[in-house]
Amino acid sequence: QKEVEQDPGPLSVPEGAIVSLNCTYSNSAFQYFMWYRQYSRKGPELLMYTYSSGNKEDGRFTAQVDKSSKYISLFIRDSQPSDSATYLCAMSAPYGQNFVFGPGTRLSVLP
Amino acid sequence: EAGVAQSPRYKIIEKRQSVAFWCNPISGHATLYWYQQILGQGPKLLIQFQNNGVVDDSQLPKDRFSAERLKGVDSTLKIQPAKLEDSAVYLCASSHTGYRTGELFFGEGSRLTVL
Repeated sequence: QKEVEQDPGPLSVPEGAIVSLNCTYSNSAFQYFMWYRQYSRKGPELLMYTYSSGNKEDGRFTAQVDKSSKYISLFIRDSQPSDSATYLCAMSAPYGQNFVFGPGTRLSVLP
Repeated sequence: EAGVAQSPRYKIIEKRQSVAFWCNPISGHATLYWYQQILGQGPKLLIQFQNNGVVDDSQLPKDRFSAERLKGVDSTLKIQPAKLEDSAVYLCASSHTGYRTGELFFGEGSRLTVL
């Protein structure tokens, strides 16, 4: 079992749809959870950062962490064509330890 | 504020040749990372520097990869000799305080093709 697994995609949705992106992990020591967005031929950029379990909202984006199930999600409301990108989940054990990235899910939002 | 700069953006070499990539992090960022991203996969950490000291190089194939960060600013990643499986995007990232906030600032990457 890989340390971090992510819905493989690709995922195509119409503009305005609600998108759900998900990751599962096996290492119970992970406490820091991130979502990065990567446009084609660009470096990843941080979207959301969450410590431990719970929800975090930022505009159209909501990140959820369920440590008991080792499951994290990113929801995108009112999706836009500009949201078309690859979404990478990343997680880490306590400070100073390497972040492990998921393989990414490619999302296309169709106008 | 200028972002993380990387060069070259693209490089094509034959196997067994050597290649070097350069990274200039965001000014003031003490921590610098090199990641390898193979097509369809997430970034994998190769090496992490704190100032000019190595924090983590456990996944760096040291028989062929080397990296240095002179004077705690710019960094160079070298591959010699290159193998076909080294074809990937090499991403440089920097951060102000290490991993605590999760805020890694990535460059656009250097895309390597090994023929």
